[in-house]
Amino acid sequence: GEDVEQSLFLSVREGDSSVINCTYTDSSSTYLYWYKQEPGAGLQLLTYIFSNMDMKQDQRLTVLLNKKDKHLSLRIADTQTGDSAIYFCAGGAGYQKVTFGIGTKLQVIP
Amino acid sequence: DTEVTQTPKHLVMGMTNKKSLKCEQHMGHRAMYWYKQKAKKPPELMFVYSYEKLSINESVPSRFSPECPNSSLLNLHLHALQPEDSALYLCASSLRQGSGDEQFFGPGTRLTVL
Repeated sequence: GEDVEQSLFLSVREGDSSVINCTYTDSSSTYLYWYKQEPGAGLQLLTYIFSNMDMKQDQRLTVLLNKKDKHLSLRIADTQTGDSAIYFCAGGAGYQKVTFGIGTKLQVIP
Repeated sequence: DTEVTQTPKHLVMGMTNKKSLKCEQHMGHRAMYWYKQKAKKPPELMFVYSYEKLSINESVPSRFSPECPNSSLLNLHLHALQPEDSALYLCASSLRQGSGDEQFFGPGTRLTVL
């Protein structure tokens, strides 16, 4: 099955860019996701990328995928205090379950 | 309506109690999921229902009993739980079972077992 690893914590100043990194083990993953979880809430899908893509941009979010290194990153431009949350990287393929990383807690300092 | 609702929001129960968690969606999704999330951990899949049939059971103890009475509803019946079962229980749904379809999550039920 899939193994997904992330750093645990990231602190940035408001207005700066945040980059959250993730590595995964299963090269057969066809979909790679970024979810956001605010305190006491469920998960919200932010964006996803197909494994045959290198990059996807969606407003302030940019996802980069390096298939050779099995490395995924999420860049948040102009980070706001409302971006403070836990960000989960996840991967899946076909009917297999989606496997989540441990989550990166993003702290935005005003 | 793009919402998954869960009730109750919080639940405290003793080890001998029987209770149920409820989840509802009206997006026409045919796959529904139960996840368990402990503090500072990622969600762990428990069950998947596809077209009202149990598709995946991730070796969950029998004190957790899922039920999908119709395509909009998903229940999780709880009986004789242990304190280590205290967690946030998340329901999710997607158009179909499969990693290509976005899973919409509910806000969760915070369960405490005394």
